[in-house]
This record gives sequence, structure tokens and C-alpha cells, in this order.
Amino acid sequence: EVQLVESGGGLVQPGGSLRLSCAASGFTFSSYWMSWVRQAPGKGLEWVANIKQDGSEKYYVDSVKGRFTISRDNAKNSLYLQMNSLRAEDTAVYYCARDRRGWYDYWGQGTLVTVSS
Amino acid sequence: SYVLTQPPSVSVAPGKTARITCGGNNIGSKSVHWYQQKPGQAPVLVIYYDSDRPSGIPERFSGSNSGNTATLTISRVEAGDEADYYCQVWDSSSDHMVFGGGTKLTVL
Repeated sequence: EVQLVESGGGLVQPGGSLRLSCAASGFTFSSYWMSWVRQAPGKGLEWVANIKQDGSEKYYVDSVKGRFTISRDNAKNSLYLQMNSLRAEDTAVYYCARDRRGWYDYWGQGTLVTVSS
Repeated sequence: SYVLTQPPSVSVAPGKTARITCGGNNIGSKSVHWYQQKPGQAPVLVIYYDSDRPSGIPERFSGSNSGNTATLTISRVEAGDEADYYCQVWDSSSDHMVFGGGTKLTVL
């Protein structure tokens, strides 16, 4: 059974940093692209970033470029999102999702990030 | 950047057919995927590649895509179908994933 479990969310002050993790199991992690997708409270889904199987390609939504870094450790079956210079508008539930290079077939349960003073 | 437009809400009586549209410039040339999200839960894929259903999704869910509009059709709507529905495409020109704004389906 495919499982994606996010962790690392919490309350952080504006300008602060946070690192999200996603532990994958039930599939060959190193064979798939992976993505982070977020959802602000009461709002819709927004793609944040994705990463190729070997980490050689990474893409970001414009609003997080230069502030967020997606990475992965295939040996640990884990996906990460390093978030720096956080802003109030980054407040959201962050989901990791298995990326079929165009669509998502499995999602984690999400982790809430709140940016507030 | 590519934009997908969905109606904010659709209402339908139980047993009837609900149609949720997703508009985009020449969207018929792209593959469209649909997700269902119930309150407090993660999204669930219900349609991929315009009209394919993942295993476990009822046949009542179907999709189509042509011209400037993609459509998710839910036949014989049940109370349990009440949820937010999102369309999504991959914009290959920017290598970005794009979501529609979402449609809240209300079962009357």
C-alpha cells in the first residue's frame, strides 16, 4: 500500500525557516517524480515544486523561487521542502504527492504551516 | 501562465447528473486530471488523462475534454459525492502544474 506521511509543519514567525519531510513507503520511491502541493486555509490547491527521480531537475512556482528548495533522499525514501524567508501568504497545508509527470495518483495527509508573529 | 477556470459551485439533486466544467485556452490539446477533496481530507484522484478512472472510483464518474472546455460528469449523484472538485493540467511550456480554482459540489 502506497503511503506518504508528511511532518515538520508548525508555527513560525515571518522571515523564519522550516523544513518539511515526506516519508514514502509501499512503492519504489526512486522511480517517481515527487511534488509538494499546498492549500491555504479555505482556498484551492496550488502546486509548489517538483523533483525528478534522481534530483537532477527541479521546478518551482514563481512565488517560492529563491526561498524554497525541494530535495530528496532516495536511500531514505524521503522528500523534503526547505522553506526560508517565510511569509504570511505561505500559511497552508502542505501535501506531498506522487507525481506521474503530469498528474498525482497518491497524496499524503498534509502538514500545516502557519506563518505568524 | 496557463489558467484554468471552474465555476465556484454546482448544485444537484440526488440521483441526477452533475457536470463540472474546467475552461482553458485550447485545453483539448492537454491532458486533464480531476481530484475530489472532502472537508479535512487530502485530494483523491477521480479522473486522469481526460477520461480514465483509477481503480476504486465508481463508473458514475466520467470525463471529457474538447476545445476550450473539459468536463467532469457525475451520474446518479449521491450524498457522499458532496465535495470540492479540482481540475489540473501540466503546462509543458513552463513545466508547471496548474490547478483550477475548484468547484464545490452541493447535493441538495
